[in-house]
Amino acid sequence: NAGVTQTPKFRILKIGQSMTLQCTQDMNHNYMYWYRQDPGMGLKLIYYSVGAGITDKGEVPNGYNVSRSTTEDFPLRLELAAPSQTSVYFCASSYSPGSRGTDTQYFGPGTRLTVL
Amino acid sequence: GQQVMQIPQYQHVQEGEDFTTYCNSSTTLSNIQWYKQRPGGHPVFLIQLVKSGEVKKQKRLTFQFGEAKKNSSLHITATQTTDVGTYFCAAMNSGYSTLTFGKGTMLLVSP
Repeated sequence: NAGVTQTPKFRILKIGQSMTLQCTQDMNHNYMYWYRQDPGMGLKLIYYSVGAGITDKGEVPNGYNVSRSTTEDFPLRLELAAPSQTSVYFCASSYSPGSRGTDTQYFGPGTRLTVL
Repeated sequence: GQQVMQIPQYQHVQEGEDFTTYCNSSTTLSNIQWYKQRPGGHPVFLIQLVKSGEVKKQKRLTFQFGEAKKNSSLHITATQTTDVGTYFCAAMNSGYSTLTFGKGTMLLVSP
């Protein structure tokens, strides 16, 4: 199993450009997450999904959009890039049967995004 | 969501010294998870604590969950350079679908 994969690894965007960060997991996990990590600030949840067709906002959703058309894929869309979106973005997934809640989260390698 | 405070923010030790990071919450936690992130890497799950007063060990790492389930600690005995990284605690939110991460404790170990 490849686990959680993310592309691209690095990207530089100009202000106002748009892009999609890709995330795929091959562990048949139902829960998937997008976090951003700024220096010294820990991980902040952007969006999450508890299953295909279901998405919900996290702590910092403004400026981002997501979709979950399949169990495997959870892309994150930036429509109008701003310097404040310069960060490292991590995708994660977990398997949560029934109502037990989120379990161990498996993280992808991250995408380092710079907006100039 | 939950709020979890981690201290210290940063610690620099000599190899062989012990290290402890603390995670505190003002509310009772259903469980607590610990993750390690090496420099330039991604967070990797270490352990989950669920029961009041629970203590778990992984080689030189000892994890504790407080009796009131409002705090947790990670203690590393005789640190090694391979322990370098940032250690995060994470608490499950009330909806049980998401985690709130602490800001992490960055550990630097000098040989």
